[in-house]
This record gives sequence, structure tokens and C-alpha cells, in this order.
Amino acid sequence: EAGVAQSPRYKIIEKRQSVAFWCNPISGHATLYWYQQILGQGPKLLIQFQNNGVVDDSQLPKDRFSAERLKGVDSTLKIQPAKLEDSAVYLCASSLGLPTGALNYGYTFGSGTRLTVV
Amino acid sequence: AQSVTQLGSHVSVSEGALVLLRCNYSSSVPPYLFWYVQYPNQGLQLLLKYTTGATLVKGINGFEAEFKKSETSFHLTKPSAHMSDAAEYFCAVSYNDMRFGAGTRLTVKP
Repeated sequence: EAGVAQSPRYKIIEKRQSVAFWCNPISGHATLYWYQQILGQGPKLLIQFQNNGVVDDSQLPKDRFSAERLKGVDSTLKIQPAKLEDSAVYLCASSLGLPTGALNYGYTFGSGTRLTVV
Repeated sequence: AQSVTQLGSHVSVSEGALVLLRCNYSSSVPPYLFWYVQYPNQGLQLLLKYTTGATLVKGINGFEAEFKKSETSFHLTKPSAHMSDAAEYFCAVSYNDMRFGAGTRLTVKP
């Protein structure tokens, strides 16, 4: 089974520039997540999709971050304009379905995109 | 609301020694608890999880964890550390989404 694919692996941009990250989840996984992992911290959920609909984006800084999952498969996360504090690893994860209490599917994580904003 | 606290941002053990990584959780609903490992420049890999049933959970690479409701804990252990265990370890709690602790970096000395 192929894993969660993310690209690019690394990206360096100047502040105020824009950047986009791509994620291809495991085939058949309905749920897709984007996490931000700042150095020395645990991953923080940015947005959660179920198929092509947003389930939770309460922690997404919507003034500069946007994400979409057209057709309910691949997803793109965009930052425009980037700030220095956006330097982090952006992790994509997918699962068969939404965790709802006792019905809890495992998450599979991609290798992440390391963003450096200078 | 759910959260986890990992005690100790850095743990160092000698090869062959016991590994103990501490995690305490807070949850207003039955918690579903996870341990993930992250090697440098890689994503997170699931070590083990507790959802229901037996409170002692065995995972990959010889790791295990015990869910103790009275202590709100889910500590990760391994009887004998190996050099290849050096990595960052994250405890997480999930009900409707996954919330991670800040992580514990494990160093294994030869």
C-alpha cells in the first residue's frame, strides 16, 4: 500500500511570498488532515477534511492560510503571504474515516514539507 | 476538551536500560490514546494505541504502554533500549480529532 505522499520535501521562501504544499492521501481514505509542527513542539491540527468538505478549520489562520480538497482526493495547503513564524514542518495525514468516539481509525502521516521563511 | 502533557522534553538512557516516557492526559470523554515516533526528517509512525479493552497495550519495536484511568496516565515503556530507538516520541489523545503532546526526545547512549 502506498503511503501518504507530500511535496515538496523542503521549501525556502522569503517573508511575504506565497507557497503551496501538496498532499496525496492513501487511496480510499476519506479523511485528510493538515498539521503544522513547529520545531520543538507537537503537531497542531490546521484543518480536517471529510471527502471534499471541511470538518474543522478552527485553528487555521484564515487571513493567510487556505486549503482545498477538490474531488475529495488530493489536497493543497497555501500560505499567502508567509511570515517568519510560519517556518515549520507541514504534515499531511489521512484515515479511512472521521474518528467518532469508539470508532477510531488510525492516521497515516506523510513525511512532511519543511518550510523555512527567511 | 482533550489534551496531553508529556513530562520531560528530553530523556537520555544507556543502551540496554529501561525506557520510560511519561504522558498524562485530560479528557472529558473516554480517551483514545496513542504513541507515535518520529525519526529525523520523517513523518509520524504509530507505535501503539489504546481504544478499549485491555489496558496494557503492546506495540511495535518492543514498546508497550499501560492506560491507568485513576492516574490519567499512558506511559510508554521498553525494557531494554536500543540505539535505533533514538527519536522523538509523541503522545496523543483522540476523540473527534487528534491532539498531540509537545514530544519527548529520546537519546540512547552506547
